[in-house]
Amino acid sequence: QSALTQPASVSGSLGQSITISCTGTSSDVGIYNLVSWYQQHPGKAPKLMIYEVSERPSGVSNRFSGSKSGNTASLTISGLQAEDEADYYCCSYAGSSTLLFGGGTKLTVL
Amino acid sequence: QMQLVESGGGVVQPGGSLRLSCAASGFTFSSYAMYWVRQAPGKGLEWVAFIRYDGSDKYYADSVKGRFTISRDNSKNTLYLQMNSLRAEDTAVYYCAKDSLILGIGWYFDLWGRGTLVTVSS
Repeated sequence: QSALTQPASVSGSLGQSITISCTGTSSDVGIYNLVSWYQQHPGKAPKLMIYEVSERPSGVSNRFSGSKSGNTASLTISGLQAEDEADYYCCSYAGSSTLLFGGGTKLTVL
Repeated sequence: QMQLVESGGGVVQPGGSLRLSCAASGFTFSSYAMYWVRQAPGKGLEWVAFIRYDGSDKYYADSVKGRFTISRDNSKNTLYLQMNSLRAEDTAVYYCAKDSLILGIGWYFDLWGRGTLVTVSS
């Protein structure tokens, strides 16, 4: 199984919105609503931001939202803030009790 | 507060073995499935292994199947990863992570440890 496909980098200005895509196949993202997103700052452990495609854990800002269309899931961050600058990873259940991560996207806040 | 603390990392020669531990606190460890996830230096995250809350089911990524074994001791609130026949490509920070569903499987990680570095080198 190949990793999910994410853009290597995205950027946006303070206050703007950005969207990070995560493309899989009809065997993972396309068939299961079990996509999650993680934020990772340098040298830190990842943090859960979105689960089950669009659910937000308590304590995560409502500026973060998730969606899915076909084989592609997306993470949108609105009202960009400096502290949002980090690496973001998507993850999907891929059947047969396995998980796939995306390659990660580096978000730069200009 | 809920916490996961990994230990056991270090430098090991190719072909060698290492056992990682993950001590859990602040939650009922025996009620949650657990995972190991790794991250090679400068690279992305890779799921490694999963174990059900009671240890009855275990699953592995193809890259480690037959070499790594995940286990848990619910009486000690501890998760383990036994790594044998180590290769250079196993060099990574290894994180343990907790599933969110009590007595179930959500297939996402709501709590992570800080990780332990494993370096496979001669």
